[in-house]
Amino acid sequence: GENVEQHPSTLSVQEGDSAVIKCTYSDSASNYFPWYKQELGKGPQLIIDIRSNVGEKKDQRIAVTLNKTAKHFSLHITETQPEDSAVYFCAARDVYNFNKFYFGSGTKLNVKP
Amino acid sequence: GAGVSQTPSNKVTEKGKYVELRCDPISGHTALYWYRQSLGQGPEFLIYFQGTGAADDSGLPNDRFFAVRPEGSVSTLKIQRTERGDSAVYLCASSPVGMDAGANVLTFGAGSRLTVL
Repeated sequence: GENVEQHPSTLSVQEGDSAVIKCTYSDSASNYFPWYKQELGKGPQLIIDIRSNVGEKKDQRIAVTLNKTAKHFSLHITETQPEDSAVYFCAARDVYNFNKFYFGSGTKLNVKP
Repeated sequence: GAGVSQTPSNKVTEKGKYVELRCDPISGHTALYWYRQSLGQGPEFLIYFQGTGAADDSGLPNDRFFAVRPEGSVSTLKIQRTERGDSAVYLCASSPVGMDAGANVLTFGAGSRLTVL
């Protein structure tokens, strides 16, 4: 199966700064990569995703980039706000079973006011 | 319902006991998923239902774990002879159809935190 690694495990930034979270995956055939945000006591919520036929996708203050050659994708949050504080998970969809996702171990983002 | 509802939100049990965790998906969603999230880790796939049938149960760790969805709506995850290593948050998610049918958004519930003493 797929192996997804995520770094850093914790990230602390000042309000207004940018935050970058990085993930790598092992199966070069993987083609769909969602990012989830999990707030305390809640389930993960999809915030952005990217398919392997594009290199970058942006939605307001968040963007995701994908480097298929390096098997690497990243989440970028600009102009961070305290409400961005949460745990973020990257994921990769199984190549053969679209209903199975492999998640990274998570990044706890703390945005200091 | 408005979202995915999971009960109980917290369950404390003793080693060797039997537990049931319930998931009520979004109304009309035919696809339902169970994931397990251990402390400090990302969710780990357990099982996927399409309608009433378990289309993929490859993530269930052993035969102590079983899940049902008899009417294609509510699902119950059943764990027999619980062990301390079963302690985790069990997440349920649903989607309008399966991911292989074009859906791409999993809507997760808040989870059921299981603690086995």
